[in-house]
Amino acid sequence: GENVEQHPSTLSVQEGDSAVIKCTYSDSASNYFPWYKQELGKRPQLIIDIRSNVGEKKDQRIAVTLNKTAKHFSLHITETQPEDSAVYFCAAGENNAGNMLTFGGGTRLMVKP
Amino acid sequence: DAGVTQSPTHLIKTRGQQVTLRCSPKSGHDTVSWYQQALGQGPQFIFQYYEEEERQRGNFPDRFSGHQFPNYSSELNVNALLLGDSALYLCASSSGLAPYEQYFGPGTRLTVT
Repeated sequence: GENVEQHPSTLSVQEGDSAVIKCTYSDSASNYFPWYKQELGKRPQLIIDIRSNVGEKKDQRIAVTLNKTAKHFSLHITETQPEDSAVYFCAAGENNAGNMLTFGGGTRLMVKP
Repeated sequence: DAGVTQSPTHLIKTRGQQVTLRCSPKSGHDTVSWYQQALGQGPQFIFQYYEEEERQRGNFPDRFSGHQFPNYSSELNVNALLLGDSALYLCASSSGLAPYEQYFGPGTRLTVT
């Protein structure tokens, strides 16, 4: 089955700096890679996603890149703000497998004012 | 437009008991997936329901079972509860028209004592 590894497990940055979270996956059949943000005690929220036919996707301060050959994808947050502090999860899925998502272990991002 | 809802919010059960958790998908969605999230970890896929049938199942024992109703809502049942079943149980809904995107409910926090 699919295995997703996520690094780092914790990340502390100064407000205004950039943050990068990296994930690797094992199953070359995976073709969908979402990122979720989970604040303490709340539900995971889909913040951005990318499909395997695209190399990069941007949405305001957030961007995701995908390298299918190396089987890794990354989340980039620019101009970080204190409200970006949360746990971020990457995931990988394969539509042919009924959209089951395999999640990474999470990254706790702390943005210091 | 209501998002994904789950009930109850919290639940305390004793080892050996049985529990039923409920989920109503986002309006327009017909597919429901269930995930277990242990403290400090990423969600783990339990199973997915589509057209009232279990379409895919993760690595969980038969003690975990489910059901989907004609209105697309779903139930997760866990029999013979173990201490290790204590976790946040998340329901995610998606649409057959956009099968990749899964939206999570707020979860049910289950504590087994």
